[in-house]
Amino acid sequence: DAGVIQSPRHEVTEMGQEVTLRCKPISGHNSLFWYRQTMMRGLELLIYFNNNVPIDDSGMPEDRFSAKMPNASFSTLKIQPSEPRDSAVYFCASSRDYWNEKLFFGSGTQLSVL
Amino acid sequence: KNQVEQSPQSLIILEGKNCTLQCNYTVSPFSNLRWYKQDTGRGPVSLTIMTFSENTKSNGRYTATLDADTKQSSLHITASQLSDSASYICVVRVSGGGADGLTFGKGTHLIIQP
Repeated sequence: DAGVIQSPRHEVTEMGQEVTLRCKPISGHNSLFWYRQTMMRGLELLIYFNNNVPIDDSGMPEDRFSAKMPNASFSTLKIQPSEPRDSAVYFCASSRDYWNEKLFFGSGTQLSVL
Repeated sequence: KNQVEQSPQSLIILEGKNCTLQCNYTVSPFSNLRWYKQDTGRGPVSLTIMTFSENTKSNGRYTATLDADTKQSSLHITASQLSDSASYICVVRVSGGGADGLTFGKGTHLIIQP
């Protein structure tokens, strides 16, 4: 089991550019989550999918953020246009199903927007 | 509002010493509480889960306690090792909620010095 795989590990971009973060969940896991982590606010849930369907995106901060899950093994989080306040570590996590709250996290993407 | 407060924010101890991390929560109704360990540059990894009926649970040198009456949990680390240096995050699940019904603490940053 390779675990949750995220790419890239680090992303440095300039304000206004589009950023795409990628995630491959653990095979067989039906729920996928995107979190953002900052020192000030800790881990915040942005959006989650169940069986590839977005269930709740109320945590997405603005319309600049969007997420997709075209199939069970791939998800993207896109920020367009990016702003310096988007700088944070973005984690993808998966769980066996909605009722199993044990989360398996990827190693995260450290995003810096200059 | 459901909240999870952790203390201390940061802690430095010498290798071989013991320490205790605290987690207070206001999540209601309560389902379970999970402690995660997050190494630098990595995603959080589950250490242990505490349900309503459990008071104490050990996982190697880690011992978690739960007092559901006072809504407090602690994580005790015995004979600390350099590899224990990490952030420890307390996560509480609301009863009836799935993997999206989680409230995260901001974590305790633990540094073990040789």
